[in-house]
Amino acid sequence: DGGITQSPKYLFRKEGQNVTLSCEQNLNHDAMYWYRQDPGQGLRLIYYSQIVNDFQKGDIAEGYSVSREKKESFPLTVTSAQKNPTAFYLCASSRWTGRTSGQPYEQYFGPGTRLTVT
Amino acid sequence: DQQVKQNSPSLSVQEGRISILNCDYTNSMFDYFLWYKKYPAEGPTFLISISSIKDKNEDGRFTVFLNKSAKHLSLHIVPSQPGDSAVYFCAASEKGGSEKLVFGKGTKLTVNP
Repeated sequence: DGGITQSPKYLFRKEGQNVTLSCEQNLNHDAMYWYRQDPGQGLRLIYYSQIVNDFQKGDIAEGYSVSREKKESFPLTVTSAQKNPTAFYLCASSRWTGRTSGQPYEQYFGPGTRLTVT
Repeated sequence: DQQVKQNSPSLSVQEGRISILNCDYTNSMFDYFLWYKKYPAEGPTFLISISSIKDKNEDGRFTVFLNKSAKHLSLHIVPSQPGDSAVYFCAASEKGGSEKLVFGKGTKLTVNP
């Protein structure tokens, strides 16, 4: 089955530790995204990548880092510099056209990872 | 500064009745609008979209209306079913902005049997 997997579903870490969240897709999508969701908040874009070995900061990139060494994988590292790391993290992927017109391709989301830092 | 606003955090309707979820936006460069549905502890799934050149798009029980002059869109669900109970996110895509989306905060819909 094609889709996006995120692991683990729940993750607990001590403050001051870096933690890496996994995201893998087998949809052959070019673009991948990381979002963060807090209670009562919408999805906020952390980082996105249009192509292997390239990625761009989203709206709330501070305290996070990513890599895109393979088309299928887009891991997110939550560093100790992130002031409020406890949140629900969602990974997504889509085709990418660099569109200037026409409907954007649908973003497919993974099941999410709930990170709790204490 | 929120570019996409969903001012109602929650909405409760009776099964069989109409659900109307609202969304306002501020960025005049948005040219596509999308609705995503999300169940707890799951990722959102795409529901329906509308281009800024249209004022209505229908898909089964779901209809999205766009009022460009008011920078307002709404999602109508008729008839509402208990399985529609979820959080609905409005999202927008900017012209020339490729697949990047800006999301609202969501509205939690509860459909009571």
